Amino acid sequence: NAGVTQTPKFQVLKTGQSMTLQCAQDMNHEYMSWYRQDPGMGLRLIHYSVGAGITDQGEVPNGYNVSRSTTEDFPLRLLSAAPSQTSVYFCASSYTRTGSLNSPLHFGNGTRLTVT
Amino acid sequence: AQTVTQSQPEMSVQEAETVTLSCTYDTSESDYYLFWYKQPPSRQMILVIRQEAYKQQNATENRFSVNFQKAAKSFSLKISDSQLGDAAMYFCAYRSAYGNDMRFGAGTRLTVKP
Repeated sequence: NAGVTQTPKFQVLKTGQSMTLQCAQDMNHEYMSWYRQDPGMGLRLIHYSVGAGITDQGEVPNGYNVSRSTTEDFPLRLLSAAPSQTSVYFCASSYTRTGSLNSPLHFGNGTRLTVT
Repeated sequence: AQTVTQSQPEMSVQEAETVTLSCTYDTSESDYYLFWYKQPPSRQMILVIRQEAYKQQNATENRFSVNFQKAAKSFSLKISDSQLGDAAMYFCAYRSAYGNDMRFGAGTRLTVKP
């Protein structure tokens, strides 16, 4: 049972480049989400999904795209990277079934992204 | 939207002593869940403790306990008998019972002095 797996752990991009951060979970969680962590700002929600084929925006969605074709995978795409997207990115998942909403988020180990 | 406030950017405690980290939140909902997460230098996010808003009894997990004051919208974390391994960033988080997204505070960096 691997939990939530994020790749890569580190990435350096030039302004304007694109890339995809991968996230996979093997816990059959319906809910998956992406956060970015910046100093002094905690974790801010970028996008989330409550099941395959369903995605929605969080607090800071601009500049990011997501899709959810399977229950297991929830990739985050940066189409044209900007220095403001330099951050640490976390993928997280949990159950959403009624009665399970108190289930905590399970986090991946994060990706440190630097855009120069 | 719900907001979570951690007013102490940094705290320090002597080893074996007790420290309390503060957290307040703003919501109009009556049913929700609160969490404390620990983030050591490894960057992992580790669940420390959780509290259901409908429960009056404060949650405890070994040396970690909370003081949940629903009317005051306060959710503080008490760490007893602090250990060097407790040094980390601590995040308070709110999750609505009616939605799915989880909102986090800005974090408190805890230093433990030997």
